[in-house]
Amino acid sequence: EAQLVETGGGLIQPGGSLRLSCAASGLTVSSTYMSWVRQAPGKGLEWVSVIYSGGTTDYADSVRGRFTISRDNSKTTLFLQMNSLRAEDTAVYYCARGGEGYSWDYWGQGTLVTVSS
Amino acid sequence: QSALTQPRSVSGSPGQSVTISCTGTSSDVGGYNYVSWYQQYPGKAPKLMIYGVTRRPSGVPDRFSGSKSGNTASLTISGLQAEDEADYYCCSYAGGYTWVFGGGTKLTVL
Repeated sequence: EAQLVETGGGLIQPGGSLRLSCAASGLTVSSTYMSWVRQAPGKGLEWVSVIYSGGTTDYADSVRGRFTISRDNSKTTLFLQMNSLRAEDTAVYYCARGGEGYSWDYWGQGTLVTVSS
Repeated sequence: QSALTQPRSVSGSPGQSVTISCTGTSSDVGGYNYVSWYQQYPGKAPKLMIYGVTRRPSGVPDRFSGSKSGNTASLTISGLQAEDEADYYCCSYAGGYTWVFGGGTKLTVL
Protein backbone atom coordinates (compact mmCIF):
# COMPACT_ATOMS: atom_id res chain seq x y z
CA GLU A 1 0.00 0.00 0.00
CA ALA A 2 1.34 3.42 -0.94
CA GLN A 3 1.75 5.59 2.09
CA LEU A 4 3.59 8.36 3.85
CA VAL A 5 4.03 8.01 7.60
CA GLU A 6 5.00 10.96 9.79
CA THR A 7 6.57 10.55 13.21
CA GLY A 8 8.28 12.75 15.76
CA GLY A 9 5.49 14.97 17.01
CA GLY A 10 4.84 15.65 20.66
CA LEU A 11 4.70 18.24 23.41
CA ILE A 12 7.58 20.70 23.48
CA GLN A 13 8.24 23.87 25.44
CA PRO A 14 8.50 27.25 23.70
CA GLY A 15 12.00 27.79 22.41
CA GLY A 16 12.61 24.07 22.07
CA SER A 17 13.45 21.92 19.06
CA LEU A 18 11.82 18.94 17.43
CA ARG A 19 12.60 16.83 14.38
CA LEU A 20 9.80 15.33 12.31
CA SER A 21 10.27 12.41 9.93
CA CYS A 22 8.17 11.21 7.02
CA ALA A 23 8.82 7.74 5.64
CA ALA A 24 7.58 6.77 2.21
CA SER A 25 6.65 3.23 1.27
CA GLY A 26 5.03 1.81 -1.82
CA LEU A 27 5.43 5.03 -3.77
CA THR A 28 8.18 6.88 -5.52
CA VAL A 29 9.30 10.10 -3.89
CA SER A 30 12.93 10.33 -4.91
CA SER A 31 12.28 12.02 -8.25
CA THR A 32 9.73 14.57 -7.15
CA TYR A 33 9.38 17.43 -4.71
CA MET A 34 8.08 16.92 -1.19
CA SER A 35 6.52 19.35 1.24
CA TRP A 36 5.42 19.86 4.79
CA VAL A 37 1.98 21.37 5.30
CA ARG A 38 0.56 22.16 8.72
CA GLN A 39 -2.87 22.72 10.20
CA ALA A 40 -3.36 24.49 13.52
CA PRO A 41 -6.25 23.19 15.64
CA GLY A 42 -9.54 24.22 14.05
CA LYS A 43 -7.74 26.19 11.34
CA GLY A 44 -6.91 25.82 7.66
CA LEU A 45 -3.96 24.35 5.84
CA GLU A 46 -0.69 26.26 5.68
CA TRP A 47 2.17 25.38 3.36
CA VAL A 48 5.41 25.25 5.37
CA SER A 49 8.32 24.07 3.26
CA VAL A 50 9.38 22.26 0.08
CA ILE A 51 12.41 20.29 -1.07
CA TYR A 52 13.01 19.37 -4.69
CA SER A 53 14.78 16.24 -5.87
CA GLY A 54 17.85 18.30 -6.68
CA GLY A 55 17.98 19.70 -3.17
CA THR A 56 16.48 23.15 -3.67
CA THR A 57 14.44 24.22 -0.67
CA ASP A 58 12.11 27.02 0.31
CA TYR A 59 10.04 28.05 3.30
CA ALA A 60 7.00 30.03 4.32
CA ASP A 61 7.94 33.39 5.84
CA SER A 62 6.46 32.24 9.17
CA VAL A 63 9.11 29.55 9.61
CA ARG A 64 12.05 30.78 7.53
CA GLY A 65 15.24 30.77 9.57
CA ARG A 66 13.81 28.44 12.22
CA PHE A 67 12.83 25.31 10.24
CA THR A 68 15.01 23.20 7.96
CA ILE A 69 13.73 20.63 5.50
CA SER A 70 15.93 17.78 4.32
CA ARG A 71 15.78 14.24 3.00
CA ASP A 72 18.03 11.20 3.38
CA ASN A 73 20.36 10.04 0.63
CA SER A 74 17.96 7.33 -0.45
CA LYS A 75 15.32 10.05 -0.73
CA THR A 76 12.70 7.85 0.92
CA THR A 77 12.58 9.79 4.17
CA LEU A 78 11.79 13.46 4.59
CA PHE A 79 12.71 15.48 7.67
CA LEU A 80 11.71 18.77 9.21
CA GLN A 81 14.01 20.19 11.86
CA MET A 82 12.09 22.74 13.88
CA ASN A 83 13.99 25.12 16.17
CA SER A 84 12.96 28.08 18.33
CA LEU A 85 9.44 26.73 18.47
CA ARG A 86 6.60 29.07 19.32
CA ALA A 87 3.04 28.53 20.52
CA GLU A 88 1.79 29.44 17.06
CA ASP A 89 3.68 26.47 15.60
CA THR A 90 1.22 24.16 17.34
CA ALA A 91 -0.39 22.14 14.55
CA VAL A 92 -0.77 18.80 12.85
CA TYR A 93 2.12 18.53 10.42
CA TYR A 94 1.53 16.62 7.20
CA CYS A 95 4.09 15.56 4.65
CA ALA A 96 2.89 15.52 1.07
CA ARG A 97 4.27 14.31 -2.24
CA GLY A 98 4.44 16.66 -5.17
CA GLY A 99 2.21 15.67 -8.07
CA GLU A 100 1.29 17.03 -11.46
CA GLY A 101 0.56 20.70 -11.81
CA TYR A 102 2.31 21.70 -8.59
CA SER A 103 -0.26 19.80 -6.53
CA TRP A 104 0.08 17.37 -3.62
CA ASP A 105 -1.12 13.89 -4.59
CA TYR A 106 -0.23 11.80 -1.54
CA TRP A 107 -0.48 12.89 2.08
CA GLY A 108 0.56 11.30 5.32
CA GLN A 109 -1.81 10.97 8.27
CA GLY A 110 -0.10 13.83 10.12
CA THR A 111 1.74 14.19 13.41
CA LEU A 112 0.68 16.61 16.14
CA VAL A 113 3.16 19.15 17.49
CA THR A 114 2.10 21.01 20.60
CA VAL A 115 4.22 23.92 21.80
CA SER A 116 3.30 24.80 25.35
CA SER A 117 4.85 25.33 28.75
CA GLN B 1 2.21 35.00 1.28
CA SER B 2 -1.36 35.98 2.18
CA ALA B 3 -3.93 33.20 2.22
CA LEU B 4 -6.30 32.86 -0.70
CA THR B 5 -9.87 33.94 0.04
CA GLN B 6 -12.61 31.33 0.21
CA PRO B 7 -16.16 31.56 1.61
CA ARG B 8 -16.23 30.10 5.08
CA SER B 9 -19.25 27.95 4.28
CA VAL B 10 -21.55 26.87 1.48
CA SER B 11 -24.50 24.53 1.46
CA GLY B 12 -26.75 22.70 -0.93
CA SER B 13 -29.34 19.96 -1.08
CA PRO B 14 -28.68 16.50 -2.48
CA GLY B 15 -28.66 16.58 -6.26
CA GLN B 16 -27.98 20.30 -6.46
CA SER B 17 -24.77 22.00 -7.55
CA VAL B 18 -22.54 24.22 -5.45
CA THR B 19 -19.57 26.36 -6.38
CA ILE B 20 -16.73 27.34 -4.08
CA SER B 21 -14.66 30.34 -5.05
CA CYS B 22 -11.00 30.97 -4.35
CA THR B 23 -9.67 34.48 -4.86
CA GLY B 24 -6.01 35.37 -4.98
CA THR B 25 -3.83 37.81 -6.86
CA SER B 26 -1.90 38.01 -10.09
CA SER B 27 1.08 36.63 -8.14
CA ASP B 28 -0.61 33.32 -7.45
CA VAL B 29 -4.01 32.25 -8.82
CA GLY B 30 -3.95 34.73 -11.68
CA GLY B 31 -0.33 34.16 -12.56
CA TYR B 32 -0.23 30.38 -12.91
CA ASN B 33 -2.50 27.56 -14.05
CA TYR B 34 -1.48 25.63 -10.97
CA VAL B 35 -4.54 25.72 -8.75
CA SER B 36 -5.44 22.55 -6.89
CA TRP B 37 -8.34 21.64 -4.63
CA TYR B 38 -8.40 19.33 -1.60
CA GLN B 39 -11.20 17.63 0.29
CA GLN B 40 -10.72 17.03 4.00
CA TYR B 41 -12.93 15.13 6.41
CA PRO B 42 -12.59 15.90 10.15
CA GLY B 43 -9.49 14.31 11.61
CA LYS B 44 -8.32 13.04 8.23
CA ALA B 45 -5.61 14.02 5.77
CA PRO B 46 -6.51 16.16 2.75
CA LYS B 47 -7.27 14.43 -0.55
CA LEU B 48 -6.44 15.87 -3.95
CA MET B 49 -9.59 16.49 -6.00
CA ILE B 50 -8.47 18.86 -8.78
CA TYR B 51 -5.05 19.91 -10.07
CA GLY B 52 -3.86 22.19 -12.82
CA VAL B 53 -7.11 24.22 -12.42
CA THR B 54 -9.32 21.74 -14.27
CA ARG B 55 -7.78 18.25 -14.15
CA ARG B 56 -9.16 15.39 -12.07
CA PRO B 57 -6.94 12.65 -10.61
CA SER B 58 -7.94 9.09 -11.33
CA GLY B 59 -10.77 8.00 -9.06
CA VAL B 60 -12.27 11.42 -8.45
CA PRO B 61 -15.89 11.54 -9.65
CA ASP B 62 -16.59 13.75 -12.65
CA ARG B 63 -19.12 15.57 -10.48
CA PHE B 64 -16.13 17.62 -9.36
CA SER B 65 -14.87 20.24 -11.78
CA GLY B 66 -12.58 23.24 -11.64
CA SER B 67 -12.23 26.49 -13.50
CA LYS B 68 -10.48 29.83 -13.31
CA SER B 69 -11.12 33.38 -14.42
CA GLY B 70 -8.54 36.03 -13.71
CA ASN B 71 -7.50 35.89 -10.07
CA THR B 72 -10.41 33.67 -9.00
CA ALA B 73 -10.58 29.89 -9.23
CA SER B 74 -13.69 27.86 -8.61
CA LEU B 75 -14.61 24.32 -7.63
CA THR B 76 -18.04 23.12 -8.71
CA ILE B 77 -19.65 20.02 -7.29
CA SER B 78 -22.69 18.86 -9.20
CA GLY B 79 -25.22 16.25 -8.15
CA LEU B 80 -24.39 16.80 -4.48
CA GLN B 81 -24.22 13.71 -2.32
CA ALA B 82 -24.17 13.35 1.44
CA GLU B 83 -20.59 12.07 1.29
CA ASP B 84 -19.46 15.39 -0.23
CA GLU B 85 -19.96 17.10 3.12
CA ALA B 86 -16.42 18.09 4.10
CA ASP B 87 -13.97 20.98 4.17
CA TYR B 88 -12.50 22.09 0.84
CA TYR B 89 -9.25 23.96 0.36
CA CYS B 90 -7.81 25.60 -2.72
CA CYS B 91 -4.09 25.95 -3.21
CA SER B 92 -2.04 27.87 -5.74
CA TYR B 93 1.58 27.84 -6.72
CA ALA B 94 2.89 31.33 -6.01
CA GLY B 95 6.24 31.27 -7.74
CA GLY B 96 9.70 31.11 -6.24
CA TYR B 97 9.09 27.58 -4.95
CA THR B 98 6.24 28.67 -2.69
CA TRP B 99 2.58 27.79 -2.38
CA VAL B 100 -0.42 29.40 -0.72
CA PHE B 101 -3.63 27.78 0.53
CA GLY B 102 -7.09 29.22 0.92
CA GLY B 103 -8.70 29.49 4.33
CA GLY B 104 -11.02 26.59 3.63
CA THR B 105 -14.75 26.21 2.98
CA LYS B 106 -17.10 24.00 4.95
CA LEU B 107 -19.62 22.32 2.65
CA THR B 108 -22.87 21.28 4.27
CA VAL B 109 -25.25 18.95 2.43
CA LEU B 110 -28.72 19.82 3.70
